[in-house]
Amino acid sequence: ETGVTQTPRHLVMGMTNKKSLKCEQHLGHNAMYWYKQSAKKPLELMFVYSLEERVENNSVPSRFSPECPNSSHLFLHLHTLQPEDSALYLCASSQHRDRVLREQFFGPGTRLTVL
Amino acid sequence: SQELEQSPQSLIVQEGKNLTINCTSSKTLYGLYWYKQKYGEGLIFLMMLQKGGEEKSHEKITAKLDEKKQQSSLHITASQPSHAGIYLCGAGLRSGGGADGLTFGKGTHLIIQP
Repeated sequence: ETGVTQTPRHLVMGMTNKKSLKCEQHLGHNAMYWYKQSAKKPLELMFVYSLEERVENNSVPSRFSPECPNSSHLFLHLHTLQPEDSALYLCASSQHRDRVLREQFFGPGTRLTVL
Repeated sequence: SQELEQSPQSLIVQEGKNLTINCTSSKTLYGLYWYKQKYGEGLIFLMMLQKGGEEKSHEKITAKLDEKKQQSSLHITASQPSHAGIYLCGAGLRSGGGADGLTFGKGTHLIIQP
């Protein structure tokens, strides 16, 4: 596998379910990101992890819980979601060094539908 | 108000024609990224621009950054069906660089007519 992978690619869940999204990057990067893409809205940043520490939580509801066990893996744990949380969830990674902007590479996304 | 405005929102171009997409920021830009997205899929990295006046090209796609105007343009020469998709500009809007989430525009939907 190369680049950034995400599983599952599609997920349908009820509002009372608990599920997790997984992201894995094979690029040797040290920063990972979760973004949300809803219909008719710009891509929105959710969380940023740098060197496995969360450095940003962009006012995301607590029903979304991120986890970064190591620099290659990022999870998004979901519980008690609402139908308006249905969206494409995208993971990205970049190499953070010397406070210089670097390219961010994205995974294919997980299409989430909440019933 | 939107921090990054893209124009046009949608564009239909005859195959072989040139086209330009613009991205304007209401804030100082600290890096400008261009991505392409197929409907419902992930983003494909095209180019990153960091310095005012910088210009990069990849195949038939050229992007420029006008730092003073806080604006970037993406130009496609002799468009092909493979260019169809959604073009997104993203920007770092905070100084300091590093691990910084990007702010995105709403995207430009490009359709290439044969």
